[in-house]
Amino acid sequence: EAQVTQNPRYLITVTGKKLTVTCSQNMNHEYMSWYRQDPGLGLRQIYYSMNVEVTDKGDVPEGYKVSRKEKRNFPLILESPSPNQTSLYFCASSHPPTSGYTYEQYFGPGTRLTVT
Amino acid sequence: GDSVTQMEGPVTLSEEAFLTINCTYTATGYPSLFWYVQYPGEGLQLLLKATKADDKGSNKGFEATYRKETTSFHLEKGSVQVSDSAVYFCALSATMGQAGTALIFGKGTTLSVSS
Repeated sequence: EAQVTQNPRYLITVTGKKLTVTCSQNMNHEYMSWYRQDPGLGLRQIYYSMNVEVTDKGDVPEGYKVSRKEKRNFPLILESPSPNQTSLYFCASSHPPTSGYTYEQYFGPGTRLTVT
Repeated sequence: GDSVTQMEGPVTLSEEAFLTINCTYTATGYPSLFWYVQYPGEGLQLLLKATKADDKGSNKGFEATYRKETTSFHLEKGSVQVSDSAVYFCALSATMGQAGTALIFGKGTTLSVSS
């Protein structure tokens, strides 16, 4: 089954304790992305990756890091989490956008993070 | 910059009622337009899309037409069901130079359908 998986699904942590949210896709997609969803703000892109070893900032990258060492995995790293990073996080993947065409993005089930 | 504005919710309807969720956009160039749906406890999934002016996207009884003259992509369904209760997001593709294409989302509209 084609899917994007995220782990953990729920996480409660304390300020400053480093954490990693994993994301993996089995569709051989080059393009992967992280979003955060907050009430009243919709989804905002944190980072994206066009391919292995190619990553770039989205709209709200502060406080986050990513890496893309393998095509299927795109972990999100919070080196020193703060309460304002409490949110619902989604990973997504797709074929790479081309000139004039954007492919459907497939989303993971989400990770609900609470930082106290 | 590019943006999407969709109607505030929640929208509360009775089963078999007609649904419209308004979406307008601001963009340079000719973006693709999307509607995504998020069922409770799940991630987003594509509902329908349109890639050029006057295209109509449709799926599961939902429809939306890409109106360039009014920069709109309103979602409609003739007869909603309880199972349509979800959050609906309008989105556009925003090309970021050579670096890639992001999806710009609206804030979402919660639909609640009662029997």
